[in-house]
Amino acid sequence: QQQVKQSPQSLIVQKGGISIINCAYENTAFDYFPWYQQFPGKGPALLIAIRPDVSEKKEGRFTISFNKSAKQFSLHIMDSQPGDSATYFCAASSDYGGATNKLIFGTGTLLAVQP
Amino acid sequence: SAVISQKPSRDICQRGTSLTIQCQVDSQVTMMFWYRQQPGQSLTLIATANQGSEATYESGFVIDKFPISRPNLTFSTLTVSNMSPEDSSIYLCSVGGQGHGYTFGSGTRLTVV
Repeated sequence: QQQVKQSPQSLIVQKGGISIINCAYENTAFDYFPWYQQFPGKGPALLIAIRPDVSEKKEGRFTISFNKSAKQFSLHIMDSQPGDSATYFCAASSDYGGATNKLIFGTGTLLAVQP
Repeated sequence: SAVISQKPSRDICQRGTSLTIQCQVDSQVTMMFWYRQQPGQSLTLIATANQGSEATYESGFVIDKFPISRPNLTFSTLTVSNMSPEDSSIYLCSVGGQGHGYTFGSGTRLTVV
């Protein structure tokens, strides 16, 4: 119940295309869903995050779509660029009202954007 | 968001020895987290460290192997004890939660030979 399932494991997209990564969770107590971007040799960097009271959040070329009833959320990268090539992790935690629980990570997606 | 300084950035250690990793945060934080990321894998939480109390360890991780200190609200250390090659990983410090998101340090890349 604590797992976050992520797919695909790897993704190859042409420059200018749309990259889509999907995650699913079971624990309905999760209320914070971030996406992290990690480049080789670096720690994960927060890309964008969403809470379950909204169905979509957009920041620049990055959009999270959230489906509470299906317990799924996805990351869309519009106009994908070679510089977006990295590993992307979805995650989830219970963070409501100041009570902090651990962040559970998905298995990661290695994105390669071809020029 | 908080800025985290983690040291060392990398190390190569002999089996049987111990390594202490430091995590310094530029602001006071209640909770600090230590993660392990094995090559090409996802992040696995080792323990949660609150200032003034014992760290809470996840299943599969024990205090004797991964002792943690949390002397104040801006600093924590993780020690990897009696190392074996299986401990070769990236170890990451993280802070956050309580509505502010989670920030990660750049990690310590440990190789045990």
